[in-house]
Amino acid sequence: SSVLTQPPSVSVAPGETARISCVGDKIGSESVHWYQQKPGQAPVLVIYYNSDRPSGIPERFSGSASETTATLTISTVEAGDEAEYFCQVWDSSSDHVFGPGTKVTVL
Amino acid sequence: QVQLQESGPGLVRPSQTLSLTCNVSGASMSSYTSYWSWVRQAPGKGLEWIGYVFFSGDPYYNPSLRSRLSISVDTSKSQFSLSLTSVTAADTAVYYCAREIAASGTRVFDYWGQGILVTVSS
Repeated sequence: SSVLTQPPSVSVAPGETARISCVGDKIGSESVHWYQQKPGQAPVLVIYYNSDRPSGIPERFSGSASETTATLTISTVEAGDEAEYFCQVWDSSSDHVFGPGTKVTVL
Repeated sequence: QVQLQESGPGLVRPSQTLSLTCNVSGASMSSYTSYWSWVRQAPGKGLEWIGYVFFSGDPYYNPSLRSRLSISVDTSKSQFSLSLTSVTAADTAVYYCAREIAASGTRVFDYWGQGILVTVSS
């Protein structure tokens, strides 16, 4: 079954760029989706199909994927971006797998 | 605007059954690309997919919960439900209902309910 690995935390200064990695041995053959979750709130989809943005998500959020690593990039970070970010993949054998989450702290 | 709303008791006694309902508005539950899911999050932990149901009533469960789990749908009421038997403290979590969309060989959760905290305690 798929296992996804994320760094527990990322710290970034306002205006800088945050990069969150999601590592898994099947990343290259599966679409990766990313969710933002603020304290006390439900997750919100911010990137799907590796790099597509849902309507209403700022262009500052972007995604990419290579053979074993997917990356969520938040450009020009704002205080409101402080949240936990989860990656997720689906395949027919493992069904839904979530990464453990990365807490982004804006300094 | 698609909206999902969970409802049910916030406290369940150990060994009893946890029952939740999700009301769906703003979307047809009878779409061939939509699956109606439950996801939970234990306090301070990550997200765990529980299972889903298709509008036809066909469910699919996380293997780790399959023996205790039942998910059903009532499209006439625009709702789907979760039943988890023999609960323990390990089942204490925020339970989310969500819509998952199937496309391009993958599935993604595009809409979520606000979540409901269920505590298992005597």
